[in-house]
Amino acid sequence: KAGVTQTPRYLIKTRGQQVTLSCSPISGHRSVSWYQQTPGQGLQFLFEYFSETQRNKGNFPGRFSGRQFSNSRSEMNVSTLELGDSALYLCASSLWTGNNEKLFFGSGTQLSVL
Amino acid sequence: AQTVTQSQPEMSVQEAETVTLSCTYDTSESDYYLFWYKQPPSRQMILVIRQEAYKQQNATENRFSVNFQKAAKSFSLKISDSQLGDAAMYFCAYRSFEETSGSRLTFGEGTQLTVNP
Repeated sequence: KAGVTQTPRYLIKTRGQQVTLSCSPISGHRSVSWYQQTPGQGLQFLFEYFSETQRNKGNFPGRFSGRQFSNSRSEMNVSTLELGDSALYLCASSLWTGNNEKLFFGSGTQLSVL
Repeated sequence: AQTVTQSQPEMSVQEAETVTLSCTYDTSESDYYLFWYKQPPSRQMILVIRQEAYKQQNATENRFSVNFQKAAKSFSLKISDSQLGDAAMYFCAYRSFEETSGSRLTFGEGTQLTVNP
């Protein structure tokens, strides 16, 4: 069974541009969560989607958005990129949403903003 | 809001020895889950062990065990018979029991573990 797939692995953008990251969950999983990982702020929750609906949102500006498709694949978008958006973006999937579910993580997308 | 603190940015251990990583957390909830995740250079987060707060018994997974002290809000990870493959960044994480929190995790700052041959 394939794991969580994130594309692309690496991305370089310049300030002001926008970027879209993709996450394909494990087959059959319906919940997808996104995290930002930086050396200064550590791992921070961005948002969670379940059955195409945003269930939870972290404390990030409106420039960060996401969506989930009917096949459970998810995308996150960051508009008007800032230098501080440089980070590793991790995606995690689980069968259901909720406290007793095991999360499976992808290997992330490393975004560099120049 | 919940917070998770790992006070040891770096730890090292000799191969085959035992090491303990510390984690404290703050919450007003009585039911929750605690986790230890491992992040090797591949960057993929891997679940090491999970503890349900309502269980008094400490979780164990092969060479990995935890010391869960609910009253002290402490959750340490013990790695026995350390192996070179254990070298990684280790994160302590908290998940609320509340249904509205979904699968959201709150992570600590991480502890970089080095295993010396």
